[in-house]
Amino acid sequence: QQPVQSPQAVILREGEDAVINCSSSKALYSVHWYRQKHGEAPVFLMILLKGGEQKGHEKISASFNEKKQQSSLYLTASQLSYSGTYFCGTVTGTASKLTFGTGTRLQVTL
Amino acid sequence: GAVVSQHPSWVICKSGTSVKIECRSLDFQATTMFWYRQFPKQSLMLMATSNEGSKATYEQGVEKDKFLINHASLTLSTLTVTSAHPEDSSFYICSARDRVYSGANVLTFGAGSRLTVL
Repeated sequence: QQPVQSPQAVILREGEDAVINCSSSKALYSVHWYRQKHGEAPVFLMILLKGGEQKGHEKISASFNEKKQQSSLYLTASQLSYSGTYFCGTVTGTASKLTFGTGTRLQVTL
Repeated sequence: GAVVSQHPSWVICKSGTSVKIECRSLDFQATTMFWYRQFPKQSLMLMATSNEGSKATYEQGVEKDKFLINHASLTLSTLTVTSAHPEDSSFYICSARDRVYSGANVLTFGAGSRLTVL
């Protein structure tokens, strides 16, 4: 079953922060986050492995709550280049199949 | 870094014809490749897992006779859409798992192929 992301869409002014949530009905082995621009392939942002870790990548960070089967992506001081659709991808076993979430459309404006 | 090349980037074909899409890992060996399909404004849906030297594993609801997958070498997987119909029009994306670093399950995606069936 596909992970559910919230919100479905968000509009930000440049410099504002945003949080995107990803919730799975299955136990998670790892969570991946991707950003996709219109008409392009997804671009890998980061991976979180089970163990409840938190990672950061410049102004983008993420957390992984294994018990709640949830992950959150944090975007701080957003830039215009952050616009796109964000997908979480979950791996629920050792088969390494990546199941993408429902997606969150983010638009950053001036 | 790892690079996956996908070809063609777009293709237009007539209904009833077959279309082949290639996915190549350029600087690494990929024992496993994955094929996804994405309809406009929707998420990527996994179609099948392509394993080098063996039959592909298809997701529920994906017709294996319609979407033929061949993974003949460690660097090449092909997806052939047979007898294409307008409802097959979509964005097809492949991804590959680096054989050496596969433990982290990080996938590298191709640029995608946009198929339009008239």
